[in-house]
Amino acid sequence: EAQVTQNPRYLITVTGKKLTVTCSQNMNHEYMSWYRQDPGLGLRQIYYSMNVEVTDKGDVPEGYKVSRKEKRNFPLILESPSPNQTSLYFCASSPETGLYNQPQHFGDGTRLSIL
Amino acid sequence: AQKITQTQPGMFVQEKEAVTLDCTYDTSDQSYGLFWYKQPSSGEMIFLIYQGSYDEQNATEGRYSLNFQKARKSANLVISASQLGDSAMYFCAMRVGGGYQKVTFGIGTKLQVIP
Repeated sequence: EAQVTQNPRYLITVTGKKLTVTCSQNMNHEYMSWYRQDPGLGLRQIYYSMNVEVTDKGDVPEGYKVSRKEKRNFPLILESPSPNQTSLYFCASSPETGLYNQPQHFGDGTRLSIL
Repeated sequence: AQKITQTQPGMFVQEKEAVTLDCTYDTSDQSYGLFWYKQPSSGEMIFLIYQGSYDEQNATEGRYSLNFQKARKSANLVISASQLGDSAMYFCAMRVGGGYQKVTFGIGTKLQVIP
């Protein structure tokens, strides 16, 4: 089954404790992206990747890191999480970079709470 | 910079009636795609419909149609014959072509279908 898989689905942690949210897609997609969703703000793009070893900042990259060492994986790293990073996070992918007519396939989301 | 504006935080519609969800956008790019996604209370993001900037005809997908008015920079979603299962958050999004691959979402509209 074609899918984008995020782990964990839920996480409660404390300020300053490094964490990684994994994202993997099995569709051989080039483009991958991370979003955070907050009430009243919609989805905001954190980082995106156009291919292996190519990443770029979205609208809200502060406090996050990403890497794209393999085509299928695009982990989101919070090196020193803070309470303002409490949010619902989505990973998404689409087939080809450079084309604007492709919808994204979304993971099921990761609900992150930073105490 | 790209911007998506959804001005209806919440809407009600009677079952079997049609409803229009508003979306206006702003971009200086000539090549772009506009998307609508549905997010039910279960949280997943579901792609509904796409409209390209060069498409001359409005997109339709089953009960969903997109009223695209390029001069007004609007891309409203029309849902015909509303069903109870249409109750959800609806997000409008834009993706531009070329090497600049950011995706911008609106803040969403919460639609509730009344029996």
